[in-house]
Amino acid sequence: DQQVKQNSPSLSVQEGRISILNCDYTNSMFDYFLWYKKYPAEGPTFLISISSIKDKNEDGRFTVFLNKSAKHLSLHIVPSQPGDSAVYFCAASPNYGGSQGNLIFGKGTKLSVKP
Amino acid sequence: DGGITQSPKYLFRKEGQNVTLSCEQNLNHDAMYWYRQDPGQGLRLIYYSQIVNDFQKGDIAEGYSVSREKKESFPLTVTSAQKNPTAFYLCASSIGQNEKLFFGSGTQLSVL
Repeated sequence: DQQVKQNSPSLSVQEGRISILNCDYTNSMFDYFLWYKKYPAEGPTFLISISSIKDKNEDGRFTVFLNKSAKHLSLHIVPSQPGDSAVYFCAASPNYGGSQGNLIFGKGTKLSVKP
Repeated sequence: DGGITQSPKYLFRKEGQNVTLSCEQNLNHDAMYWYRQDPGQGLRLIYYSQIVNDFQKGDIAEGYSVSREKKESFPLTVTSAQKNPTAFYLCASSIGQNEKLFFGSGTQLSVL
């Protein structure tokens, strides 16, 4: 049973436009969310995170939005650049009564930004 | 430069053979993790360790073993009991459990 779902395996966007990557979760105990970026044959690198007490976090071209009632978060990249082409993983961390659980990852979305 | 080093980058295993993947970090992180990635799949947790001499099974620990004798090192052994070992293996570390993870560059294991 997938607790973190990235329903779009791939996304293609034109350079300069906005990329929107979506992530849904099922466990209301999740209280910390992260996005990782991964190039082929490399380890993922941390991109941006958001705590459940916020609904938006911005870092340069990257913004993450959290809708707790819908159990949905999204990553916006504006403007998209060819170097953004990678697989993006959404991850969530559960809080079990103050004790953090391990990160749970989605299956990833492959973003292709075309020049 | 601080970071996580995984070796080797590519590894081949013969049937019935145990192989060990190395993971070393000089970030002074307490927690270390091993994940497995299969094509089109997310990252699945194999084992994790929060402190030296202690480790716990993750979601897919069967056929794997680990040790944490030193803070800097968390080797993963893929035993002959793991029937489908071909995958991309990622080691990670964090300051504490489920702080931001820092990943190594991965080891691709294939079966001959």
